[in-house]
Amino acid sequence: GAVVSQHPSRVICKSGTSVKIECRSLDFQATTMFWYRQFPKQSLMLMATSNEGSKATYEQGVEKDKFLINHASLTLSTLTVTSAHPEDSSFYICSARHRVDRGGDTQYFGPGTRLTVL
Amino acid sequence: SQKIEQNSEALNIQEGKTATLTCNYTNYSPAYLQWYRQDPGRGPVFLLLIRENEKEKRKERLKVTFDTTLKQSLFHITASQPADSATYLCAPRGASGGSYIPTFGRGTSLIVHP
Repeated sequence: GAVVSQHPSRVICKSGTSVKIECRSLDFQATTMFWYRQFPKQSLMLMATSNEGSKATYEQGVEKDKFLINHASLTLSTLTVTSAHPEDSSFYICSARHRVDRGGDTQYFGPGTRLTVL
Repeated sequence: SQKIEQNSEALNIQEGKTATLTCNYTNYSPAYLQWYRQDPGRGPVFLLLIRENEKEKRKERLKVTFDTTLKQSLFHITASQPADSATYLCAPRGASGGSYIPTFGRGTSLIVHP
């Protein structure tokens, strides 16, 4: 099946620093990637939709200047958390949309990145 | 707006029994519906996709039904095993008109006891 990698898997940083998370589709091209965050025992919360070669579309309430998304190629999207603060600590997950067949698309998820801001 | 409802309470069952999880959705007419499995600290994994013109889909011990009239999907795991313990997410997709809304239900936690 399609594989999506995410790096790093875990990061601990000091408040005020920026953190970049990479998401790669390894064996397929993804024109669309999504970024989610998830708090413990909560549902996946969509942050933004990233289309290759264009600006990301952010969900209501998500600060685009704080969560910078770049989708420079069909296999790579990055999320940069700028000036991170403890409240940004969360589990960040990317997914890539892949057309399985004419019947529908499937999202393949990365393993997630646990961000802890001290 | 689209709303996806899954039982927030954990489902506890005994090994060997059939687990049945429910997904209801409103304000949406999906062309297909997907189920994912998520283990703690991991990203979701795609399990099954069922289209609106399919009533039932099977894959090994998994069975999914899709009732577009009731706006409901049922997810069954037969002969459940402790390794099936996880959170299962429902994802209606592909509304008429082509919009793709990548939201998920909050998921139902399944705990299979040996």
